[in-house]
Amino acid sequence: KNQVEQSPQSLIILEGKNCTLQCNYTVSPFSNLRWYKQDTGRGPVSLTIMTFSENTKSNGRYTATLDADTKQSSLHITASQLSDSASYICVVTLNYGGSQGNLIFGKGTKLSVKP
Amino acid sequence: KAGVTQTPRYLIKTRGQQVTLSCSPISGHRSVSWYQQTPGQGLQFLFEYFSETQRNKGNFPGRFSGRQFSNSRSEMNVSTLELGDSALYLCASSLGGSAEQYFGPGTRLTVT
Repeated sequence: KNQVEQSPQSLIILEGKNCTLQCNYTVSPFSNLRWYKQDTGRGPVSLTIMTFSENTKSNGRYTATLDADTKQSSLHITASQLSDSASYICVVTLNYGGSQGNLIFGKGTKLSVKP
Repeated sequence: KAGVTQTPRYLIKTRGQQVTLSCSPISGHRSVSWYQQTPGQGLQFLFEYFSETQRNKGNFPGRFSGRQFSNSRSEMNVSTLELGDSALYLCASSLGGSAEQYFGPGTRLTVT
């Protein structure tokens, strides 16, 4: 069964600290993996997208890694800010092509950054 | 470029009623997808429309339906509302295929 599991479910860190969010997937055939940030009451916003051949991709203080062999991805946030408080959603695309219905969503990690 | 807009932003309905939600995609985007988001289930795919045709449908009952107009604007309808339909309904637009999606702010539906 195609699944995306994220951990932890929730996380509280102090402002300025680093953190790492995990995403494990059992999705085949794999096309790409995306990380989204969703602020409360808003729609998700894309942070990174990685294909099979990409190991690392950065977007400012956000760095995503992908290990296609172990089917694991992580999102590392450096020097966290209060504005990083949000849910982070991992999404894997099936390689059937041609439709957004081929996206498998994780349930997200809720991050709270405290002053 | 204006982003994806959804109306209304908040809605309260009672069981048994029906509701219509609207989504205006980014200009030039012909694909519109709809998702239901609940705390327990996360984001779940409802359906995708491209050039007025439904391309894909998720595992939801027939009470959930949608359509897309020639200007790519889309509507989603839920009939005979149930308490479990309370959720954030998100619309996303893209150029099509598995191109990058851009989400709207969502419509928060509460069924009492």
